Amino acid sequence: GAVVSQHPSRVICKSGTSVKIECRSLDFQATTMFWYRQFPKQSLMLMATSNEGSKATYEQGVEKDKFLINHASLTLSTLTVTSAHPEDSSFYICSLRWPYNEQFFGPGTRLTVL
Amino acid sequence: QKEVEQNSGPLSVPEGAIASLNCTYSDRGSQSFFWYRQYSGKSPELIMSIYSNGDKEDGRFTAQLNKASQYVSLLIRDSQPSDSATYLCAVRGEYGGSQGNLIFGKGTKLSVKP
Repeated sequence: GAVVSQHPSRVICKSGTSVKIECRSLDFQATTMFWYRQFPKQSLMLMATSNEGSKATYEQGVEKDKFLINHASLTLSTLTVTSAHPEDSSFYICSLRWPYNEQFFGPGTRLTVL
Repeated sequence: QKEVEQNSGPLSVPEGAIASLNCTYSDRGSQSFFWYRQYSGKSPELIMSIYSNGDKEDGRFTAQLNKASQYVSLLIRDSQPSDSATYLCAVRGEYGGSQGNLIFGKGTKLSVKP
């Protein structure tokens, strides 16, 4: 399957700061990447679809000005949580879809906002 | 609204037994079906995909699909304590377009007792 990396794996920050999370496709060029969020004991929630070279598509209820997504190349998408607050503390996971239909996830980034 | 339903569990089975996990979905036009395993604190890992009616076997895992009943299941033979995890059922609809967003169930927590 596809190999997906994320950085950092864990971040702790103060309320009001911005945090950037990187997602890389290591073994193929991904025109589309997905960003998910998962709160404790809940299922995955799709936040947005990241499209290389164009604007991301956000799911209903997700603030596009708060969660900035940039997909500048076929192997890198970034999610920036701007002015983070404690309620943004969550597990953020990127994902990409192989040409053969299967979808693979990165290892995730655990964000804690103090 | 498209939905994927799973029994949240926990499902507890003794080591060596067969674990049976079930999933139903509401969108009759769904074409692609996936099972992911998620260990606590980790991201989902794809373990099976199935696209046509019937059974698909991969090692100790067997996925079963019945599109007429809108039902997909996962059997784990010779269950091991290392199989203890949450199992997520995911479905992709016929009209997902090039992005084809996955719809996830809330997951079934499996516990395999030594």
